[in-house]
Amino acid sequence: QQKVQQSPESLTVSEGAMASLNCTFSDGTSNNFRWYRQHSAKGLEVLVSIFSDGEKEEGRFTAHLNRANLHVSLHIREPQPSDSAVYLCAGTGNYKYVFGAGTRLKVIA
Amino acid sequence: EAAVTQSPRNKVAVTGGKVTLSCNQTNNHNNMYWYRQDTGHGLRLIHYSYGAGSTEKGDIPDGYKASRPSQENFSLILELATPSQTSVYFCASGDEGAPLYFGAGTRLSVL
Repeated sequence: QQKVQQSPESLTVSEGAMASLNCTFSDGTSNNFRWYRQHSAKGLEVLVSIFSDGEKEEGRFTAHLNRANLHVSLHIREPQPSDSAVYLCAGTGNYKYVFGAGTRLKVIA
Repeated sequence: EAAVTQSPRNKVAVTGGKVTLSCNQTNNHNNMYWYRQDTGHGLRLIHYSYGAGSTEKGDIPDGYKASRPSQENFSLILELATPSQTSVYFCASGDEGAPLYFGAGTRLSVL
């Protein structure tokens, strides 16, 4: 089954600085990719979906996809303390989703 | 707005006991999923369903059963709970190619 390597495991940034998260997939099974955010003890909410090479912006969140490198990234512009959460990348294909283990982001004022 | 409701939110069970986790969605999605989330493993798929009456094994189905009696409801059943099944369980619904909508999770402790 497809695996996902997500990095870094944890990240601390200052409010207003750019935060960058990365995922690399083990193979080309997935054809759609998404980033989810999970606040402590809560379910996941989708932030941005990307289906083709290039970038997709949703407010302060921008996803980049490079299929050749099996790589998807998320950049958070001007992060705020309320963005502190766990961020998970996900790939989907054939009814099934595969998730990364998550990056724990802490934004300090 | 899409809604997925899980119950109970917290559960303490004894080893060898039967546990049923329930999930209800009002999104009219065909597909529903059960995941468990553990530190270092992320979300792992236990069972999923394409619609009422169907259940499929995910990546880690051993020790779990699932039931989809209707479009709205999808249950996860632990017939003989073990401490290794202590985890946080998430239900989700979605259509093919679309985002998943998640419930708030059930924290299960098996003692």
